[in-house]
Amino acid sequence: QVQLEQSGADVKKTGSSVKVSCKTSGYSFTDYVVAWVRQAPGRGLEYMGGIIPLLNAANYAQPFQEGRLSITAVKSTATVYMELSSLRSEDTAIYYCARGVATSKTNWFDTWGQGTLVTVSS
Amino acid sequence: SYLLTQPPSVSVAPGQTARIPCGGDNIGSKSVHWYRQRPGQAPALVVFENSDRPSGVPDRYSGSNSENTATLTINRVEAGDEGDYYCQVWESSNDHRVFGGGTKLTVL
Repeated sequence: QVQLEQSGADVKKTGSSVKVSCKTSGYSFTDYVVAWVRQAPGRGLEYMGGIIPLLNAANYAQPFQEGRLSITAVKSTATVYMELSSLRSEDTAIYYCARGVATSKTNWFDTWGQGTLVTVSS
Repeated sequence: SYLLTQPPSVSVAPGQTARIPCGGDNIGSKSVHWYRQRPGQAPALVVFENSDRPSGVPDRYSGSNSENTATLTINRVEAGDEGDYYCQVWESSNDHRVFGGGTKLTVL
């Protein structure tokens, strides 16, 4: 079965970087987008960006286009990484990876990782 | 960026019908997807492409989409249906996914 397994919780200092992994299994890694969605405490879901592993091409949502976010994929291990730099307190959130299903008309997420809590403090 | 609007909360008695709206400009021209998030869990897909259900989702869940509102309908609501529900669309212009703000469903 399709599974997305994320790395464990992390605590970071303000201004540092965090890297979260998402190891996929149960499907052809290059056939689907893998995206990152975060959820701040008590808040809704925020799309961050995604990557097409076949092309190693990443796409970032507008709040993350200034260069703080990097999404990469390693085909040999079917793993996607999300690295967020210059961390601030408002980056404290649960970070989810999700598999994207695409048609010619739309995209949705059919499988999600379990989430990784990243806490940023001074 | 495209904006999706959901009410913060919807309450319904067990056995009744819950309707959760998702508003957007001409959303009827887009495909809408719905996720349920139970407390402490990751989101899970319950409806895709407006009205299709993944395997394992009961047929009590259905969706519709017309003009400026998409709606998730849950018939014969049970306590296990409680959670936060999010609608989502795809912006073809920039390949971005957009989520609504979420609606908390409470079963009275």
